Amino acid sequence: GIQVEQSPPDLILQEGANSTLRCNFSDSVNNLQWFHQNPWGQLINLFYIPSGTKQNGRLSATTVATERYSLLYISSSQTTDSGVYFCAVRSGGSYIPTFGRGTSLIVHP
Amino acid sequence: EAGVAQSPRYKIIEKRQSVAFWCNPISGHATLYWYQQILGQGPKLLIQFQNNGVVDDSQLPKDRFSAERLKGVDSTLKIQPAKLEDSAVYLCASSTGQYNQPQHFGDGTRLSIL
Repeated sequence: GIQVEQSPPDLILQEGANSTLRCNFSDSVNNLQWFHQNPWGQLINLFYIPSGTKQNGRLSATTVATERYSLLYISSSQTTDSGVYFCAVRSGGSYIPTFGRGTSLIVHP
Repeated sequence: EAGVAQSPRYKIIEKRQSVAFWCNPISGHATLYWYQQILGQGPKLLIQFQNNGVVDDSQLPKDRFSAERLKGVDSTLKIQPAKLEDSAVYLCASSTGQYNQPQHFGDGTRLSIL
């Protein structure tokens, strides 16, 4: 099946810093989402972005499907951004959504 | 729009006991997913329904896990008998049913096996 790798696995930032999270995938995809799992375990949709670029406030994401990667940008980070960020994909030939292992982000005040 | 509802939020049982989880998807969503998330890992798909039919259950341990979605709306996931390694968060998600539509997750059920 499709492989999904996220980097870095862990990230520690000071409030106000910017960061870039990466998701690499091993096959073409027709579905890609970024999620934020908060410290209470809730999975929050950030972006549905199988290709192109989207922005929502301080967050933006870019997927370059032909090169099989997606990036999540967090600008001016806040302590509430802490948690785990997951990338989930579905390849063209599969019904199964596959998650990466996530990037754990801690933002210190 | 109401989100995906799951219950219970927490459950503690002893090994070899049985347990059931319930999920009510977003109204009108044809596709329903059950995931298992072990601590420190990403969610792993257990089973996917399209209306009341199973699309994929290749990662469901069928000797002890079962799931149903009668009438194509809400769903139950059962574990019988539970093992220690089943301790995890069980997440339900739904989507409209088209392959290129996003999933929306419930808050999950945290299961602890003693």
